[in-house]
Amino acid sequence: AQSVSQHNHHVILSEAASLELGCNYSYGGTVNLFWYVQYPGQHLQLLLKYFSGDPLVKGIKGFEAEFIKSKFSFNLRKPSVQWSDTAEYFCAVNGYRGAQKLVFGQGTRLTINP
Amino acid sequence: DVKVTQSSRYLVKRTGEKVFLECVQDMDHENMFWYRQDPGLGLRLIYFSYDVKMKEKGDIPEGYSVSREKKERFSLILESASTNQTSMYLCASSLGTGGVETQYFGPGTRLLVL
Repeated sequence: AQSVSQHNHHVILSEAASLELGCNYSYGGTVNLFWYVQYPGQHLQLLLKYFSGDPLVKGIKGFEAEFIKSKFSFNLRKPSVQWSDTAEYFCAVNGYRGAQKLVFGQGTRLTINP
Repeated sequence: DVKVTQSSRYLVKRTGEKVFLECVQDMDHENMFWYRQDPGLGLRLIYFSYDVKMKEKGDIPEGYSVSREKKERFSLILESASTNQTSMYLCASSLGTGGVETQYFGPGTRLLVL
């Protein structure tokens, strides 16, 4: 069975700090990978996704993620965070082409101090 | 913009009651999903549907059932609510069967079972 692990449960940073949130998955086949974000009081929404091509994908609000197949990882990065990035971040994987089931990680709560 | 709406934001029910959670999407999406979100566990898939009257079990279907009589509406039913079903319930929808489509989420229903 597929699984997704996000090692950081709660990350606290100051504004302008660099961010990297870890995501590892277990599945040996071809994968589609996603990062979703939930801002306080808002719906869960897509931040970025990878399904083929360039392993470095860019998303909204200056976020990017790199797919490293050999490490089964899809870490989320942002060079300089803002207070408005305070949110919960979820990594998800879909390991079956043509299927729609996503397996989510446990989530990482990010707090940015002004 | 895709809109996914859920019938209630907050719900309080008693143990043993039958509970209906309704979800409606307005973008003619084929796929609809029900998740529950619990702290430290992320999102877990309960059921999903890829067409009217079609459904498949997710990772935690026990104690739940679903109904999809119309394309735009997907209902989650708790046949006999129990306290361990106290949770946040999220509905989502997506287009097509490619496996890379974005899932669009509703605002969630926070259910408390007493």
